[in-house]
Amino acid sequence: DQQVKQNSPSLSVQEGRISILNCDYTNSMFDYFLWYKKYPAEGPTFLISISSIKDKNEDGRFTVFLNKSAKHLSLHIVPSQPGDSAVYFCAASAQNNDMRFGAGTRLTVKP
Amino acid sequence: EADIYQTPRYLVIGTGKKITLECSQTMGHDKMYWYQQDPGMELHLIHYSYGVNSTEKGDLSSESTVSRIRTEHFPLTLESARPSHTSQYLCASRDVSGYTFGSGTRLTVV
Repeated sequence: DQQVKQNSPSLSVQEGRISILNCDYTNSMFDYFLWYKKYPAEGPTFLISISSIKDKNEDGRFTVFLNKSAKHLSLHIVPSQPGDSAVYFCAASAQNNDMRFGAGTRLTVKP
Repeated sequence: EADIYQTPRYLVIGTGKKITLECSQTMGHDKMYWYQQDPGMELHLIHYSYGVNSTEKGDLSSESTVSRIRTEHFPLTLESARPSHTSQYLCASRDVSGYTFGSGTRLTVV
């Protein structure tokens, strides 16, 4: 039972444009959401998070939006840079329980 | 500077061999996890531990075993490796702010 879904396995954008990565979840008890970034042959690293009491969290070029009614969150990267090319994982947890991860979206930013 | 270490980074072994993947963290986290990831697939939780002498199986059935004798150490063992075990294995520990992952071990069983 996949509780966190990233339906787009890959995304390609031009440098300088906006990248939008999407994530859907099924468990209404999830109250904490994170995005991780993973380069090849490395472990995922934390990127940005959002609590369910918020609908937006911004950190530099990265913004995460949460739509609780739609059980949907998205990560916006603007402007996109070639160094952003990586696999992005969405993760969610309920009341500090163990996290569930999506399958990841491979972002390619073309120069 | 990594606070969680996995060794080896890459491993190619023959079928039937016994292997242990090492994972150590210096953050004093009680909760530690092993994930298995195939390309393009989600991270599957195969084992977790909430503290010393506590180990549980995760969502994905795995033929591996783990131990947690010390807080900082959470090794994963395959008694008899098979080609189906070829994958990337990621170790993580967590605190209230989230997970910290190791660099992973890419295992190939030939």
